[in-house]
Amino acid sequence: ETAVFQTPNYHVTQVGNEVSFNCKQTLGHDTMYWYKQDSKKLLKIMFSYNNKQLIVNETVPRRFSPQSSDKAHLNLRIKSVEPEDSAVYLCASSRGQSNTEVFFGKGTRLTVV
Amino acid sequence: GNSVTQMQGQVTLSEEEFLFINCTYSTTGYPTLFWYVQYPGEGPQLLLKVTTANNKGSSRGFEATYDKGTTSFHLQKASVQESDSAVYYCVLPDDTNAYKVIFGKGTHLHVLP
Repeated sequence: ETAVFQTPNYHVTQVGNEVSFNCKQTLGHDTMYWYKQDSKKLLKIMFSYNNKQLIVNETVPRRFSPQSSDKAHLNLRIKSVEPEDSAVYLCASSRGQSNTEVFFGKGTRLTVV
Repeated sequence: GNSVTQMQGQVTLSEEEFLFINCTYSTTGYPTLFWYVQYPGEGPQLLLKVTTANNKGSSRGFEATYDKGTTSFHLQKASVQESDSAVYYCVLPDDTNAYKVIFGKGTHLHVLP
């Protein structure tokens, strides 16, 4: 049963456009994440929020910005997409620190043409 | 920092064959270790986790043993089914940040009917 909801499922856009992805979790978790998964299925963490505070901010291009309105929502905006941004973006949540289970959404597949 | 290594990028088996996926890790202390599985079209989900308290984890016929001596956490299943076709990730907490985990590169398992 999915408890981390992502929209949209797919998005195709042109280079230079702005896109936004939404994520909501209904698990009551304090921590949320954005991961990027490439075509070889490699997973890389991009951002993490705990109680609306940014706690993990990996080295990603500045055109990526997370937005957290409350503990249950974490959106991702990409200001001016590039071809290398084509990937699956996975939102996730967990109860707390890294020894607890992480729950993932189904992902948003971004294709930049 | 710590790290996790999965050498097998792809494994192809026939139904009822034995599965072995190699995972080794490097870390300080004795953190909880995880295996996640990602089925097509889904996000990763927890398959099993193991702590030093129990040393062994099992779920859905899969088993993994925490071997501190060889710093390994291999995944095994006695008899695979076509429905086990998925990507399997070995995961451990990142010792540089309490809210991060490190995913291995993933092993694509294809089970032929």
